[in-house]
Amino acid sequence: AQSVTQLDSQVPVFEEAPVELRCNYSSSVSVYLFWYVQYPNQGLQLLLKYLSGSTLVKGINGFEAEFNKSQTSFHLRKPSVHISDTAEYFCAVSERGGTASKLTFGTGTRLQVTL
Amino acid sequence: DGGITQSPKYLFRKEGQNVTLSCEQNLNHDAMYWYRQDPGQGLRLIYYSQIVNDFQKGDIAEGYSVSREKKESFPLTVTSAQKNPTAFYLCASKERTKVDTGELFFGEGSRLTVL
Repeated sequence: AQSVTQLDSQVPVFEEAPVELRCNYSSSVSVYLFWYVQYPNQGLQLLLKYLSGSTLVKGINGFEAEFNKSQTSFHLRKPSVHISDTAEYFCAVSERGGTASKLTFGTGTRLQVTL
Repeated sequence: DGGITQSPKYLFRKEGQNVTLSCEQNLNHDAMYWYRQDPGQGLRLIYYSQIVNDFQKGDIAEGYSVSREKKESFPLTVTSAQKNPTAFYLCASKERTKVDTGELFFGEGSRLTVL
């Protein structure tokens, strides 16, 4: 079975600074990887996903993530954050080849952007 | 616009009462899911359904029940047997595609508070 670890529960950062949210996964087979964002009292919205091809994936709102198979990581980055990026971010993984693939989520990282 | 509608958004109940959370989707998705979200614990799967009239338990099904009589509807009942029901509940659906990546689309959530 797969698992996801988000090492940082909270990440404080100043506006216009760069940010990296870390995600590591564990699986015995190849995987698909996702980042979702959740604003307060709302559902989850897909930021980006890695299915195949280029390991650098670009998403909405200027975010990008890089799949590193050897380090089993899928870290999320943004070169310059905005106040509106304050939210909770979830990394998720599913296994390739499943007939009824289910996502496994990390525990989330709260990004707090301040002036 | 297509999407997933959860109602009510906020719900209060007294201990010992059953309560039903509604989830309706007009995306024509086959699979539907219920997750529970608690601070610092990420998302935990309660029940899921791949097709009408069929559903499976997730990781934390005790104290919950579901039905899937129609493709577009997947209501969740939180019973009095659920020992700690106060939480944020998220409904999600998944499109049937040639390759099942596990990608989910989420509703806006329902916050249940037991008084």
